[in-house]
Amino acid sequence: NAGVTQTPKFRILKIGQSMTLQCTQDMNHNYMYWYRQDPGMGLKLIYYSVGAGITDKGEVPNGYNVSRSTTEDFPLRLELAAPSQTSVYFCASSYSGTGNTEAFFGQGTRLTVV
Amino acid sequence: QKEVEQNSGPLSVPEGAIASLNCTYSDRGSQSFFWYRQYSGKSPELIMSIYSNGDKEDGRFTAQLNKASQYVSLLIRDSQPSDSATYLCAADDPYGQNFVFGPGTRLSVLP
Repeated sequence: NAGVTQTPKFRILKIGQSMTLQCTQDMNHNYMYWYRQDPGMGLKLIYYSVGAGITDKGEVPNGYNVSRSTTEDFPLRLELAAPSQTSVYFCASSYSGTGNTEAFFGQGTRLTVV
Repeated sequence: QKEVEQNSGPLSVPEGAIASLNCTYSDRGSQSFFWYRQYSGKSPELIMSIYSNGDKEDGRFTAQLNKASQYVSLLIRDSQPSDSATYLCAADDPYGQNFVFGPGTRLSVLP
């Protein structure tokens, strides 16, 4: 089983460039999440989605955008990259957002903005 | 703002000892709690989940939950060097329908 797949694994961006981090899951999960993890820190929620066509902001949404046109895909868009967006990005999915469920994580995307 | 707090460590224990990791959470509405292990440069992987007060055991791991004290812990018995990692505590946010993570505790098991 593929689970949650993220691409790319690594990327270097110049300040002001744009890019999309791809995330797809094959577990038919309704809930999907984007987290960022700075060195030595925990996971901060950027955006999440409770189903196709529905997205909501997390704790640190500024500088990012998302869309959820299908159950499987939840891309994260960086429009004008800034050094503060240098981080490791994790996509995750779960059957539900609360209760007896768990989040499954992708392998992560290590992004450096220079 | 909903928070999950952990000691950042590092926590160092000798091989074969018991490692005790602690976590507190701020939202009394949280019902589900999770311990993830994260090796350096890797993604978090779930090792334990707990939903009811008391203890839950799985092999060398025991999770403990006390909802009245808003406290979750993870005990690792017979610690091995391969247990050296960062352990993330997480709680569900029932209103936001997502998960809140603590900063993680770095565990080092010394041979």
